[in-house]
Amino acid sequence: NAGVTQTPKFRILKIGQSMTLQCTQDMNHNYMYWYRQDPGMGLKLIYYSVGAGITDKGEVPNGYNVSRSTTEDFPLRLELAAPSQTSVYFCASSFTGGTEAFFGQGTRLTVV
Amino acid sequence: AQKVTQAQTEISVVEKEDVTLDCVYETRDTTYYLFWYKQPPSGELVFLIRRNSFDEQNEISGRYSWNFQKSTSSFNFTITASQVVDSAVYFCALSGPPSGTYKYIFGTGTRLKVLA
Repeated sequence: NAGVTQTPKFRILKIGQSMTLQCTQDMNHNYMYWYRQDPGMGLKLIYYSVGAGITDKGEVPNGYNVSRSTTEDFPLRLELAAPSQTSVYFCASSFTGGTEAFFGQGTRLTVV
Repeated sequence: AQKVTQAQTEISVVEKEDVTLDCVYETRDTTYYLFWYKQPPSGELVFLIRRNSFDEQNEISGRYSWNFQKSTSSFNFTITASQVVDSAVYFCALSGPPSGTYKYIFGTGTRLKVLA
């Protein structure tokens, strides 16, 4: 019963590098989300998806890209990493937009 | 636009005290959902409760209770007889259908410290 799985758990990037944060869920949920949580702060929505092939911007999309080719997977791409992207990233999924969201364990990303 | 405000950044109480965490939301939608989540020091996010906009009944679950008032756009959370294990960051969240799809947004959280 895996739920939402994120990889990697930790990563250090150099300024200007790119990487993809992986997220997969096995609950057949339609909705998936990416959030970032800066130290001592709340969760900010980066991107979300309401189904395969459909994505939309959240509150803080700049510097990120997403795709949703399958129901299960929702990778987050960071292009040209900047120190401002140092954060903990959470992926989540929900059956509909009005139901409980299940969260992954988070990815702690440091850009130096 | 949707917005969730948790004005209390941090609250400290002594064990066995009651504490209320405030949540005020803004939305133009008539159909929306409100949630509370808990983030203990270990960092995971734990769902506590969900309420839809058509159900203003208050809810009690053990030491936890929630008060939803549409007239004041508030969805407050009360912990009765707090315990040290309640120490965590608590988030209020709102999901509603802007343009037919649901954005699931969170407040900035309230850090609760329960002292023994």
